[in-house]
Formats: sequence, structure tokens, C-alpha cells
Amino acid sequence: DVKVTQSSRYLVKRTGEKVFLECVQDMDHENMFWYRQDPGLGLRLIYFSYDVKMKEKGDIPEGYSVSREKKERFSLILESASTNQTSMYLCASKGDRGRINTEAFFGQGTRLTVV
Amino acid sequence: GIQVEQSPPDLILQEGANSTLRCNFSDSVNNLQWFHQNPWGQLINLFYIPSGTKQNGRLSATTVATERYSLLYISSSQTTDSGVYFCAVGRGSTLGRLYFGRGTQLTVWP
Repeated sequence: DVKVTQSSRYLVKRTGEKVFLECVQDMDHENMFWYRQDPGLGLRLIYFSYDVKMKEKGDIPEGYSVSREKKERFSLILESASTNQTSMYLCASKGDRGRINTEAFFGQGTRLTVV
Repeated sequence: GIQVEQSPPDLILQEGANSTLRCNFSDSVNNLQWFHQNPWGQLINLFYIPSGTKQNGRLSATTVATERYSLLYISSSQTTDSGVYFCAVGRGSTLGRLYFGRGTQLTVWP
């Protein structure tokens, strides 16, 4: 069975902290994505990666960075957490570039609160 | 990017009713998916349907790629169908990224 696992379901962090959100997939997918979801704004793409050590900015990359050292793991980093980064974060995984017509699968989401 | 519009934004039904959700998109695509977001926030895959028609139990979907829309049909609604339904599209030039609509919030009352 397809599996995308996010490291935490709920997270509470303090303003200014460095925060790591981890996502692991077991499908040998090359593409991985980080979205955030806010009421009334839908899902917005933060960053994505199409290969190990490769990354592309999405629509709202400010305040975030990512790391993809291994194919199965894609980390989202909040360099200095702020209250406006309180949100639901969703990781997704999708088949490789050679087979672009493939289905994306999502993790269970991480609800992050920055206080 | 590709603009995705979903309608209606909100839908309230009584159990047993049928409904149709619509997704319009602004450009040609070769990837289209429908998701249901459960109460815990996870996006559950319903259909991968870049073209044609598929059925899965009480749910079915049709995509007319040439006219840039897709429809999701829910028949005999149940309370467990409640939640947000998202349409997402993509094309080969976008390195696999998906563009999402704002979703349709469905509430089914017993």
C-alpha cells in the first residue's frame, strides 16, 4: 500500500524557533511537495523537489527552506518560526519525471501552531 | 500557473440526495485528481482522471479535457461523505506539481 508519512500530527512551537517538518514516502517517487492549507486560501505550494538534492520554489517560499538528501525523505524547515506560519502543512509524493501522468498521494498532515 | 475553479463553494444536502461538483481549469492538462479531505485533515484520493469516466461505488467522475472541466458525482449521499472535495490539475511542463481549486465544502445531514 502507498504510504506518505509526516513525522508529527500536531506541533506547538515558540516564535523564533527553528522547526523541522519531516515527510517520508515508501513508493520510490522522485517528486515530493510541501503545501500549506489555510481557511479560505486553499492549498498553496511552498516548495517541491523532483530529485535528490533538487528543489524548486513554489508560490509562497518566503520564510521556508527544504532539504532532500535522500529520495524517500523531504524536509520542510522554518528558519525562525513566526505566528503567521501557524497552519496545516501537507506533504505529497508523486511518480518520477519520466512518467509524469501519475497520481499524487498525501500524508496525514501536520497542524503547526506557533505561539 | 493553471487556474482552477470549483463550484459550488458550499453544498448542504440531506442524506440520500445526489450531487454534482464541478471543476473548471484554465489550460490543457494531462493530470487531474479528485480528493476528499477527511475531518482529520488528510487528503484521500478519490479519482485519478485526466480524461474519460470512472466509477467507484456511489462516486463517479467525468473529465472532458478538451472543454477543460471535470465533474464529480455523489449519489445517495451519506453523512460520512461530508468534508471538503478538492480538484487538482497538472501538466507535463510543471515538473509534476498540481494546482488546486479552493474546494467544495459538502455537509450531509441525517
